[in-house]
Amino acid sequence: DSGVTQTPKHLITATGQRVTLRCSPRSGDLSVYWYQQSLDQGLQFLIQYYNGEERAKGNILERFSAQQFPDLHSELNLSSLELGDSALYFCASSVGPLTGSSGNTIYFGEGSWLTVV
Amino acid sequence: AQTVTQSQPEMSVQEAETVTLSCTYDTSESDYYLFWYKQPPSRQMILVIRQEAYKQQNATENRFSVNFQKAAKSFSLKISDSQLGDAAMYFCAYRSGGGSQGNLIFGKGTKLSVKP
Repeated sequence: DSGVTQTPKHLITATGQRVTLRCSPRSGDLSVYWYQQSLDQGLQFLIQYYNGEERAKGNILERFSAQQFPDLHSELNLSSLELGDSALYFCASSVGPLTGSSGNTIYFGEGSWLTVV
Repeated sequence: AQTVTQSQPEMSVQEAETVTLSCTYDTSESDYYLFWYKQPPSRQMILVIRQEAYKQQNATENRFSVNFQKAAKSFSLKISDSQLGDAAMYFCAYRSGGGSQGNLIFGKGTKLSVKP
């Protein structure tokens, strides 16, 4: 158990709909990352937050947005869903400011499976 | 920009044997970290091993060890005494150091099969 919690684990929704994926980072971790993994694809970095502020953006579509709340949990919002958005969405967390070598490790949650039909 | 390359899409090993997965990376940074993650059929991402670039000593974790060649920008993973549970996709990943708190940059993965 990595300590990163993601909900829901599985989600089936129709095209055009909107969903929200939730992530609770490990206790004490300030950075949250979102990754997308499509079937037979590698991991695509979407976005990173650090202590509530957006830190870095990757290949995140305009239909997607995220935020990190004061209690450090994060949500990824996916709207106007298309069939191609079906994927495994990972949340990951790390300590943030480098506080030793362990702070450089990013730990992953179990992922949220999204199926768009 | 940093890149990570895993040139072996698939590998196979006999149970109890040793296998080495290759990874090369490209960077102009001197401070960085390298990781191997395992993704079994459950699709969970599990950290296998971590290497700090400033450390000359190769990291080891039980049956897993790395061969870190900084000058060659090579970071291979050796799995000794392979077990059926080692069958998974293995991803090599790079992360910048120096307080940049950057995200992980992944290779495309190597699918490891373990034959009984």
